[in-house]
Amino acid sequence: RKEVEQDPGPFNVPEGATVAFNCTYSNSASQSFFWYRQDCRKEPKLLMSVYSSGNEDGRFTAQLNRASQYISLLIRDSKLSDSATYLCVVTSSGGYNKLIFGAGTRLAVHP
Amino acid sequence: DTAVSQTPKYLVTQMGNDKSIKCEQNLGHDTMYWYKQDSKKFLKIMFSYNNKELIINETVPNRFSPKSPDKAHLNLHINSLELGDSAVYFCASSQESGRAFFGQGTRLTVV
Repeated sequence: RKEVEQDPGPFNVPEGATVAFNCTYSNSASQSFFWYRQDCRKEPKLLMSVYSSGNEDGRFTAQLNRASQYISLLIRDSKLSDSATYLCVVTSSGGYNKLIFGAGTRLAVHP
Repeated sequence: DTAVSQTPKYLVTQMGNDKSIKCEQNLGHDTMYWYKQDSKKFLKIMFSYNNKELIINETVPNRFSPKSPDKAHLNLHINSLELGDSAVYFCASSQESGRAFFGQGTRLTVV
């Protein structure tokens, strides 16, 4: 079983739609949680951290459920520029700041 | 100024050759990484250094040898290149857990 699992998509949505991505992780001792974004043929970039209390950054809302080992990302009012691959990331419990990436969920926003 | 820069951006080489990829970060971070992204777009950690000391060494063939002359540089040398080594190699650095900055990637093609 992969350490971090995501639905690969693609999710094809019209502009203005709300879309949600899910992610599960296998190691209950994982410490920190993040969403990264990767555009085609570019490097991954940090989108936002994910906290147990839930957190919001503009149109983006992230949630963490430690009991279910489940992370989500909600994007409201999708823009064409949101088209990218969204990577769920957890850090390992070994204290070495090892980032473990999911395979990513591809989002395509169309006019 | 580019925060994490790696060279070259593209590398096409024949099987059996030896090649190096260089990485430099000007963020003052203590931790640097090498990640490999294969044709299925899965990002997998290879190595991590903290202040020039190797702290993560995943199951990587010993044809791959990282070198960190100082905490701002982490180079990757690959001996006896094989077809399966073709991938995009990303260098990254971080100071806080999970918040990594990636270089633009080196697209390696072994023919």
